Amino acid sequence: DTAVSQTPKYLVTQMGNDKSIKCEQNLGHDTMYWYKQDSKKFLKIMFSYNNKELIINETVPNRFSPKSPDKAHLNLHINSLELGDSAVYFCASSQRRGIGYTFGSGTRLTVV
Amino acid sequence: AQSVTQLDSHVSVSEGTPVLLRCNYSSSYSPSLFWYVQHPNKGLQLLLKYTSAATLVKGINGFEAEFKKSETSFHLTKPSAHMSDAAEYFCVVSVGPTGNQFYFGTGTSLTVIP
Repeated sequence: DTAVSQTPKYLVTQMGNDKSIKCEQNLGHDTMYWYKQDSKKFLKIMFSYNNKELIINETVPNRFSPKSPDKAHLNLHINSLELGDSAVYFCASSQRRGIGYTFGSGTRLTVV
Repeated sequence: AQSVTQLDSHVSVSEGTPVLLRCNYSSSYSPSLFWYVQHPNKGLQLLLKYTSAATLVKGINGFEAEFKKSETSFHLTKPSAHMSDAAEYFCVVSVGPTGNQFYFGTGTSLTVIP
């Protein structure tokens, strides 16, 4: 039933490791996003894909690489994790203008 | 350029009193505007949206917002606050040719005092 699902929900890892966060939506939406929410609760867009094509790529370290195997999936791979990468990462999807987002419940990443 | 400014980072109200969360936007296009709520350890939930129809938009849980183009504002209101309204609220503007670029405000934390 879950519309936008992210896994894992929690991720604790050491500096320097490589990790992935997966996102899947079953809404038939064309566009998917990754947002980062920092400790001050501010949400910043990282990437957006429309039908598997990258359309938004904000200033994000190139250690972050999104991958969209099909329009229902948008995974986020992070290389060489740093302490500053600790945050909650939200996946979202939308169909078209005016519909707004459907969000996943977030992945809390802690780098130690 | 597009941006969203939430004028108050924290708002505190007593239970049963009105809520006003302020949002101003700037946009080169005709925007769509949204309010989202995030409760602790939860994902974002859509409260309401404005998409160039009626300027007074009613959302869930008794919230409403009025789009005022002349003031470039989209303030969120509720006549009577409930304890369960305590959360973080985000004003969002959607722009771009397909409306698929979203810009978030920095959020307003609402505290409801019993």
